[in-house]
Amino acid sequence: GAVVSQHPSRVICKSGTSVKIECRSLDFQATTMFWYRQFPKQSLMLMATSNEGSKATYEQGVEKDKFLINHASLTLSTLTVTSAHPEDSSFYICSVHKMMNTEAFFGQGTRLTVV
Amino acid sequence: GESVGLHLPTLSVQEGDNSIINCAYSNSASDYFIWYKQESGKGPQFIIDIRSNMDKRQGQRVTVLLNKTVKHLSLQIAATQPGDSAVYFCAYFDYSNTGKLIFGQGTTLQVKP
Repeated sequence: GAVVSQHPSRVICKSGTSVKIECRSLDFQATTMFWYRQFPKQSLMLMATSNEGSKATYEQGVEKDKFLINHASLTLSTLTVTSAHPEDSSFYICSVHKMMNTEAFFGQGTRLTVV
Repeated sequence: GESVGLHLPTLSVQEGDNSIINCAYSNSASDYFIWYKQESGKGPQFIIDIRSNMDKRQGQRVTVLLNKTVKHLSLQIAATQPGDSAVYFCAYFDYSNTGKLIFGQGTTLQVKP
């Protein structure tokens, strides 16, 4: 399987500040990465598709100006939660696929708490 | 609409018993399904997958069954162990939209010693 590293695993920030989450594909080059959000006792909801060298594709209802995605290299995608509010507190997870129509490999997740 | 759903939110089994987790899907065009296990505070972990040209696939202590007629997927865990306690998700690829992975709601498996 693929090795996906996500950092930080846990972060607490003050309301109004921004937080950056990194997702790294350690053993292969990923032109596409996916960002999910998961609220307690709920399923994973796809937020956006991160595309290397181009703009991310956001799912309906996800504010692209609030959740900034940068995929500047084939091994790194970042998600920045801007002007975070308590309702943004959630578990954020990234994933990669080695090929389309194959299983996704997930990072360890980032627990964001906005106080 | 397209959806993947699970029949039961929580399943409680005795250690050593077999567990069966169910999943219903509505997209008849789906041809690839995956089961994931998610432990508390961690990302999902791949368990087993199956393609639509099969109706059964076995792994180590796990079996996935696919019934395309009724659009039903199940995960069977043999001799359930305490380490199997987790949330289990079924998922499928939505080829109509850049191949994104759609997740079901999840079933919490609780293993009683």
